[in-house]
Amino acid sequence: KAGVTQTPRYLIKTRGQQVTLSCSPISGHRSVSWYQQTPGQGLQFLFEYFSETQRNKGNFPGRFSGRQFSNSRSEMNVSTLELGDSALYLCASSLEVGGRIMNTEAFFGQGTRLTVV
Amino acid sequence: SQQGEEDPQALSIQEGENATMNCSYKTSINNLQWYRQNSGRGLVHLILIRSNEREKHSGRLRVTLDTSKKSSSLLITASRAADTASYFCATVPSGGNNRLAFGKGNQVVVIP
Repeated sequence: KAGVTQTPRYLIKTRGQQVTLSCSPISGHRSVSWYQQTPGQGLQFLFEYFSETQRNKGNFPGRFSGRQFSNSRSEMNVSTLELGDSALYLCASSLEVGGRIMNTEAFFGQGTRLTVV
Repeated sequence: SQQGEEDPQALSIQEGENATMNCSYKTSINNLQWYRQNSGRGLVHLILIRSNEREKHSGRLRVTLDTSKKSSSLLITASRAADTASYFCATVPSGGNNRLAFGKGNQVVVIP
């Protein structure tokens, strides 16, 4: 079974631009979450999608948005990029067992390293 | 805010030794999970312990959970050079909020 696939792996953007990152979850996983990892703030939760609906959202500005498609693939978009948005963006998918609580492991992709210059 | 918080340790040990990492958290949890990350790549799930469990083993890994102290520990026995990585604990809060709250991680270096 293929793992979580994130594209692109690396990205360099200029301040003020926007960017779209893509994540393909493991087949059969309907929950997809996004995380931002920086040296200063560590791993921070961005949002979670389940069956095309945003179910949870972290404390990030509205410039960060996402969506999920009917095949569970997800995209996240960052508009008006700032230098501080430089980070490793990680996507994770999980198989829900017994309802909303994540009682199983999350499978992470290799991440997209975004550099804003 | 981050719920999982590891002791900010950078461990450097010899191959064959044991490595112990600690994690504390602030609120009620459904479960606690440990992940490993190699060189800024994706995270790999190591072990999950539920709030009603006190200890769990998986291969060379041993995890304990003390919900009264809101703390957990990860023990890696007989470490290998391949165990060199960053280790993160992450909590899933009770109450239906399906998100992982990560600690800041422990860097472990195993010297061959």
